[in-house]
Amino acid sequence: QKEVEQNSGPLSVPEGAIASLNCTYSDRVSQSFFWYRQYSGKSPELIMSIYSNGDKEDGRFTAQLNKASQYVSLLIRDSQPSDSATYLCAGDYGQNFVFGPGTRLSVLP
Amino acid sequence: EPEVTQTPSHQVTQMGQEVILRCVPISNHLYFYWYRQILGQKVEFLVSFYNNEISEKSEIFDDQFSVERPDGSNFTLKIRSTKLEDSAMYFCASRGGSSYEQYFGPGTRLTVT
Repeated sequence: QKEVEQNSGPLSVPEGAIASLNCTYSDRVSQSFFWYRQYSGKSPELIMSIYSNGDKEDGRFTAQLNKASQYVSLLIRDSQPSDSATYLCAGDYGQNFVFGPGTRLSVLP
Repeated sequence: EPEVTQTPSHQVTQMGQEVILRCVPISNHLYFYWYRQILGQKVEFLVSFYNNEISEKSEIFDDQFSVERPDGSNFTLKIRSTKLEDSAMYFCASRGGSSYEQYFGPGTRLTVT
C-alpha cells in the first residue's frame, strides 16, 4: 500500500520564523520525493525534489530525507506571508506520484 | 519559461455527456500524466503515458476514461459518460527524460450537473 502522510495543519508561524513541514511514507519503493506548493484554487507548483538521504538547500527552502525512518521534511526559513499555502509532499512510485493530503501553512504578518 | 497549458479552464457538462480535456505539455518532455483533485481532497493519480501508450493507470481510470496524443503537441483526457462524482480539478503534468520532476498545468475545473 502506497501512502504518504502529512499533518493537515493548519500550521501557523509568525513572519520571519522557520516553518517545518513533515511527511512520512509507508512503502519502501519510492526513492524520490518532491515538495509542491498549492495556493487555493491553483495547481501544484514544484518547490524542491530530493533523491538521496540528507539535506538539500535551495534559497530559503531545505528538504531533508531519511530513508531509514521513511521521513521527509521541508524547512522554510524567513517565512513570508506569501508562503501561506498548502504544501504537498509526493513520492515517486515509478510511473506516478502519490501525494499526501497537504499541510496548510499560514504565515502571520 | 516553458509551461504546461490546459484548456478549457472550466467545463460544465451534464451527467452522461462526453468531455475532452486538453493539455499541451512542455515541448521537449516525454512523459505525460493526468491527475485529479476533488475539492478539499488529495491530488490523485489517474494515468501516465509514454511513447504513445499508457504506462500505468489507477483504479479510478476505468473504461470511461481514455487518453490520446493526437499530434506532436496535444495530450487529451476523454471521459465518455460523465458522472456527478467526476466533478473535480483535472491536472495535466509532464516531465523530461532526464528528470523525475513533474510540472503541472493550471488545471481544468470540471463540473458535472
